[in-house]
Amino acid sequence: KNEVEQSPQNLTAQEGEFITINCSYSVGISALHWLQQHPGGGIVSLFMLSSGKKKHGRLIATINIQEKHSSLHITASHPRDSAVYICAVKNSNYQLIWGAGTKLIIKP
Amino acid sequence: EAGVTQFPSHSVIEKGQTVTLRCDPISGHDNLYWYRRVMGKEIKFLLHFVKESKQDESGMPNNRFLAERTGGTYSTLKVQPAELEDSGVYFCASSKAGMNTEAFFGQGTRLTVV
Repeated sequence: KNEVEQSPQNLTAQEGEFITINCSYSVGISALHWLQQHPGGGIVSLFMLSSGKKKHGRLIATINIQEKHSSLHITASHPRDSAVYICAVKNSNYQLIWGAGTKLIIKP
Repeated sequence: EAGVTQFPSHSVIEKGQTVTLRCDPISGHDNLYWYRRVMGKEIKFLLHFVKESKQDESGMPNNRFLAERTGGTYSTLKVQPAELEDSGVYFCASSKAGMNTEAFFGQGTRLTVV
């Protein structure tokens, strides 16, 4: 079992839908990252959080430390949101442990 | 401000050859990380530099991989000799001093060993 599990692996939705991607982890962490990888391959950091909730534009990330769970939400989704979304946690050795990613496709 | 840049973006080499990947972090970032994704698997940590020192190289797969960061600026990751299983995408990231500072990623180098 991976230390970081994401669900779903693949998600296809219509433009405008509310999107939720989940991340569960089994190790102690100092921080959790949500990252975005576009088809071109580059990785962009969306959020780094260790508690509570963060919001940036249409993106919202939440984390529940007790339940070892985080969610990434996208409101009013748009085709340009199509990408792979990756959850990664920083463990006690400050290494990033990566989830497998969620491939999101938003259809117009 | 320039982001993290990696060179080359793609490299195709034959088994047994040597390849050197380069990462230029954001200026002033003390932390530099190398990661890689091999086919079908999650991205894995390789190593972490703080300035020119190797803070953690526990993720380096074997002694065919050598990373350097002379002068604490850019870093190189050399694979010698390359094997087929080394094929994948190698990512570099940098962050400001401190252990929980936000990381910025490069575009990655896609390495194909044939």
